[in-house]
Formats: sequence, C-alpha cells, structure tokens
Amino acid sequence: EMQLVQSGAEVKKPGESLKISCEGSGYSFTKYWIAWVRQMPGKGLEWMGVIFPGDSDIRYSPSFLGQVTISADKSTDTAYLQWRTLKASDTAMYYCAKRGGSYWYFDLWGRGTLVTVSS
Amino acid sequence: QSVLTQPPSVSAAPGQKVTISCSGSSSNIGNNYVSWYQQLPGTAPKLLIYDNNKRPSGIPDRFSGSKSGTSATLGITGLQTGDEADYYCGTWDGSLTTDVVFGGGTKLTVL
Repeated sequence: EMQLVQSGAEVKKPGESLKISCEGSGYSFTKYWIAWVRQMPGKGLEWMGVIFPGDSDIRYSPSFLGQVTISADKSTDTAYLQWRTLKASDTAMYYCAKRGGSYWYFDLWGRGTLVTVSS
Repeated sequence: QSVLTQPPSVSAAPGQKVTISCSGSSSNIGNNYVSWYQQLPGTAPKLLIYDNNKRPSGIPDRFSGSKSGTSATLGITGLQTGDEADYYCGTWDGSLTTDVVFGGGTKLTVL
C-alpha cells in the first residue's frame, strides 16, 4: 500500500526553527515528485513547492521562495520542509503529496502536519 | 486571491446533481489538464479527477469532470450526505510567476 507518513504536530515559538518530514512507502519514492501544500486555518490549499527526490531538483512557488527550504533524503525515502525562523503566520496544516503521473496532479497525500507558532 | 476561481459554496438535496465550476486562463486551464480534490472535514485532500475527466481507481462514477476552453467543471450526481466536503480544482500554470495552482475551494452542502 502506498503511503506518505508525515511527522507529528509541532508547537513552536516565533523565531524558532523547524523541520517536518514526509516518508514515502509502497512505491519507488525517488521516481515521483513530492509537493508541499499549506492550508491555513479555515483557508484553501496553497502550493509551496516540489522536489524530485531522485536528483533533488526543486521548484518553489514565488510566494514561498526564501521563506522555507525543501529537501529530500533518498536513503530514507523522506522529504522535508524546513523553516529557519518561524512566524505566527506560519501556523497552518502542511501536507505532502505525490505527483501522479505525466501531468501535475497529486494522487497520494499525507495526513498533514499541524504547525502552531505562538508565543 | 486564487488564480483559479471557484464559487465559495454550492448546495443541493440528497439524490440531486450539482456542478462546481473552476475558471482560469490560457496560461493554466486553457493549456493544461485539470484535477479535482475532495477534502472531507478534518481530513487530507483526496484526488477525485485527473487529466480533466479521469477517475482514479475507487472513485465512483457519480463524480465526473469536464473542461472547455479556460474553464473546468466537476459534476456530482446522486448526492449523498457523505459528499459534504470542500472541493478544489488544480492545474499547472505556465506563466512566469508560479507552477501549480489551486482554486479557492467550494464548500458543498447536502441539504
């Protein structure tokens, strides 16, 4: 069974750093793009960026470029989303999602990691 | 403000049919395939439709997708209370400013 297992909920203070993870299983992790998608409380889906784990090719949404870092570790079939300096406005649910095929759709989603940033 | 425009909400009675529109431009829907996602309350999004009108394995044929020009439509027939959810369209945008774009989402209420 294909799965994306995300790390658990986090509560952080403004200014702190954070790295959340997304581990793939049940398929060839290095052959499919993995996207990160933000959903702020009560809001819609926002595409943050994607990574191809096979060669770590990365594309960022202009809205998130410089704000987060996307990476992947082929040896552990895991993708990461990282913040150097968290802000209260980073409070959201973060989903990882696997690209489905030749075109840009996402056929497998993680359950999400809730990040809460509060002083 | 989302690049793709969806109605904020739609509603219909159980057993009825509903359609959800997704409007874009030539840089996104007009020249790329559209996908649709269902997000039940408190859960992660799930792929409903890809490549404009294809259903993944396990998605019932009550769900359908279509595209014409720079707009796409999700159709749901035989509405069930379990279909109450938020629905999002998504596609690739070939402009210089972004890559993948989603609609703002439509909340479906089954009365």
